[in-house]
Amino acid sequence: SYELTQPPSVSVSPGQTARITCSADALPKQYAYWYQQKPGQAPVLVIYKDSERPSGIPERFSGSSSGTTVTLTISGVQAEDEADYYCQSADSSGTYQVFGGGTKLTVL
Amino acid sequence: QLQLQESGPGLVKPSETLSLTCTVSGGSISSSSYYWGWIRQPPGKGLEWIGSIYYSGSTYYNPSLKSRVTISVDTSKNQFSLKLSSVTAADTAVYYCARHPQLVGATGGWFDPWGQGTLVTVSS
Repeated sequence: SYELTQPPSVSVSPGQTARITCSADALPKQYAYWYQQKPGQAPVLVIYKDSERPSGIPERFSGSSSGTTVTLTISGVQAEDEADYYCQSADSSGTYQVFGGGTKLTVL
Repeated sequence: QLQLQESGPGLVKPSETLSLTCTVSGGSISSSSYYWGWIRQPPGKGLEWIGSIYYSGSTYYNPSLKSRVTISVDTSKNQFSLKLSSVTAADTAVYYCARHPQLVGATGGWFDPWGQGTLVTVSS
């Protein structure tokens, strides 16, 4: 089955830059999307189509793509950014949706 | 502003069928631009896409769940529903419904917005 691979955890100090990666073979062909999920809450879309930011999402959130890896970058991390982050994409046929295993971002 | 709300029993017995409904408000489920999907999250674990439906009734399911899943749509009520049969404790999860746009080259894109989610526990 198709899988998206994320690191389980990333830690950064406030004000630093956090980078969370997501890797899979079909990412050069399919868009990736990123979600932020805080405890007890539904996921919130923070990046769509690899690098587009929805309205209302702070500019410090950005996305990029290179080959089989996409990256969510959070510049000037704030304490409120501590959350789980999930990537999502489709398989190479574009038919089936898949989520990465999630990355817990800890703000030290 | 589009809103989605899940509803259904919070407790289901093993081997029975889990049934949930998602009610869409602030917009029409019959929009040709969108699919409507179900996603679940077991306690303490990650997200898993279950399946999606178009307003016409066209469906596509996660291959790992396909044999047990049925998603249907009722455009007159602006609702879509999930049925998961032969449930076990492994199906205990928060179940979310969400909208996702139709894309060229893919059946569906990102999920936004999401419902608040509903916890379904499978236990006797």
